Amino acid sequence: KAGVTQTPRYLIKTRGQQVTLSCSPISGHRSVSWYQQTPGQGLQFLFEYFSETQRNKGNFPGRFSGRQFSNSRSEMNVSTLELGDSALYLCASSWTGVGETQYFGPGTRLLVL
Amino acid sequence: KNEVEQSPQNLTAQEGEFITINCSYSVGISALHWLQQHPGGGIVSLFMLSSGKKKHGRLIATINIQEKHSSLHITASHPRDSAVYICAVRIAKLISSGGSNYKLTFGKGTLLTVNP
Repeated sequence: KAGVTQTPRYLIKTRGQQVTLSCSPISGHRSVSWYQQTPGQGLQFLFEYFSETQRNKGNFPGRFSGRQFSNSRSEMNVSTLELGDSALYLCASSWTGVGETQYFGPGTRLLVL
Repeated sequence: KNEVEQSPQNLTAQEGEFITINCSYSVGISALHWLQQHPGGGIVSLFMLSSGKKKHGRLIATINIQEKHSSLHITASHPRDSAVYICAVRIAKLISSGGSNYKLTFGKGTLLTVNP
């Protein structure tokens, strides 16, 4: 069974631009969670989607948004990029949510110049 | 104060040593995850536990819910164990419909280096 895939793997943007990241979960998994990892703050929870609905949200500004499609694939969008948005963005999937083992993708490394 | 504290931040060991990484948390949780992250970023879930002890190969994880503390032990450490180990707690959030959802809150991680 294929693992969680994320595209693109690397991305360079400039301040003010917007970016869309994609996550394809393991087949059959309906929950997709997104996380931001930075050297200063470590891993932080962004949001979780389940069956196309945002079920939970972390403490991030409204510039960070996401959606999930009927095939469980998820996208994350960051608008008006800031330098501080440079980070590794990870998604994880599971059958029902963070109450069970999470399977992480390889991440998308975003650099904002 | 962070809800999840890990110690030590950095740990260097010689191959074959017994290793312990600690995780303390300050909130009520329903479960705790131990994750492993190798250079390059990929994260693997090692354990999820809500009580007692779990063992997988040379890895052992324990949790004491009353003391709000968990430990990850590695027996007979090997250079391939070198990675960042991250503790994450599952916190329930009550929602207006009467149910609850969960989110993960992470420790800052412990960088383990095992020298041959």
